[in-house]
Amino acid sequence: GPKVLQIPSHQIIDMGQMVTLNCDPVSNHLYFYWYKQILGQQMEFLVNFYNGKVMEKSKLFKDQFSVERPDGSYFTLKIQPTALEDSAVYFCASSLGRKSGNTLYFGEGSRLIVV
Amino acid sequence: TQTVSQSDAHVTVFEGDSVELRCNYSYGGSIYLSWYIQHHGHGLQFLLKYYSGNPVVQGVNGFEAEFSKSDSSFHLRKASVHWSDSAVYFCAVRSSNTNKVVFGTGTRLQVLP
Repeated sequence: GPKVLQIPSHQIIDMGQMVTLNCDPVSNHLYFYWYKQILGQQMEFLVNFYNGKVMEKSKLFKDQFSVERPDGSYFTLKIQPTALEDSAVYFCASSLGRKSGNTLYFGEGSRLIVV
Repeated sequence: TQTVSQSDAHVTVFEGDSVELRCNYSYGGSIYLSWYIQHHGHGLQFLLKYYSGNPVVQGVNGFEAEFSKSDSSFHLRKASVHWSDSAVYFCAVRSSNTNKVVFGTGTRLQVLP
């Protein structure tokens, strides 16, 4: 089936540093998402993105977070500066749109450890 | 505000047993309901969804789910589980006027040999 690729799969970073998580969504998809999962628990919605803009975001999407997809390349999540509580697995997802019921296709996740 | 709850954190059954994983939602408008599966160390994979029509929807690998408006539920079922069905199952809801997909807390299914 369609594949969403995430780079890196793992990253360890010092608190206060910047990190960028990259996502290569399914090629014809229009909507992009980031979710945060801690210790295999609940998938927490962070943000969704369409047509170059943030559509919706949650309270977890702090001011230190930003997303972009310059020129149709990677869909990125940037955290600057990082905090200890940002340690989690971040999942990128993409979907074709509302007509498909927003069926989400997920990547394998990027495990971020902030020390 | 749309919410979705999964009352069972863990379910353990034997291979060949039937299983039902429970999902209840709270939302007043038109919604999409879905189930996803997450194997350990991987991302979520779509199983099935419901929006309208026949309240019983079929998914991959023998899974099905039944929508009940009166019970505000969308329970997932499988008649005969296999050890490879061991995973975490997430119920998800999206209202028709948003693109935000909200997930439940997940149910860890363990299938014993």
